[in-house]
Amino acid sequence: NAGVMQNPRHLVRRRGQEARLRCSPMKGHSHVYWYRQLPEEGLKFMVYLQKENIIDESGMPKERFSAEFPKEGPSILRIQQVVRGDSAAYFCASSPSTSGTHYNEQFFGPGTRLTVL
Amino acid sequence: AQSVTQLDSQVPVFEEAPVELRCNYSSSVSVYLFWYVQYPNQGLQLLLKYLSGSTLVKGINGFEAEFNKSQTSFHLRKPSVHISDTAEYFCAARAGGTSYGKLTFGQGTILTVHP
Repeated sequence: NAGVMQNPRHLVRRRGQEARLRCSPMKGHSHVYWYRQLPEEGLKFMVYLQKENIIDESGMPKERFSAEFPKEGPSILRIQQVVRGDSAAYFCASSPSTSGTHYNEQFFGPGTRLTVL
Repeated sequence: AQSVTQLDSQVPVFEEAPVELRCNYSSSVSVYLFWYVQYPNQGLQLLLKYLSGSTLVKGINGFEAEFNKSQTSFHLRKPSVHISDTAEYFCAARAGGTSYGKLTFGQGTILTVHP
């Protein structure tokens, strides 16, 4: 069973461009979380999604950031008109949909490191 | 609202010595607690979790943690560390009684094991 997949692993954008980060959860997981790790800081929650629904977006910046998790395909975190302060590592995590050994756990992907020039 | 505080930003130790990484949380409701490890340029890997039951939790790689409700702490311990334990460690909390929800992370502790 493959782990959580994120691509690209590294992304370089110039100020004002758009960044699209993709996350494919583990097989059988329908809950996806996005976290941001700024340099020298811990991870901060951004958004929690289930298929076709945003459950909690309390950590998302009000402007320029959006997320989706369509019925088919990966979850996408989209950052419009990027600024230097968006440079960070963005991690996706997924949780299983049913009870079992790993119930209540979040499994993390390797992250996408975004650099804004 | 929950908050998690990791009291040490860096902990240097010698190989085969014991180590304790400290974590305190604040929450007005029941809480689930987790420790994750992050190796350079990688994602987070779960070391152990406390949901309920026994307050002493054993995890992977010889790590264990003790949930102390009166002191609101969840310190991570290992009796004898290896060079390969060098990494950053994160304590995290989530609201208890629910199956899903966001994690609140501490600032992280960088553990450096010297030969």
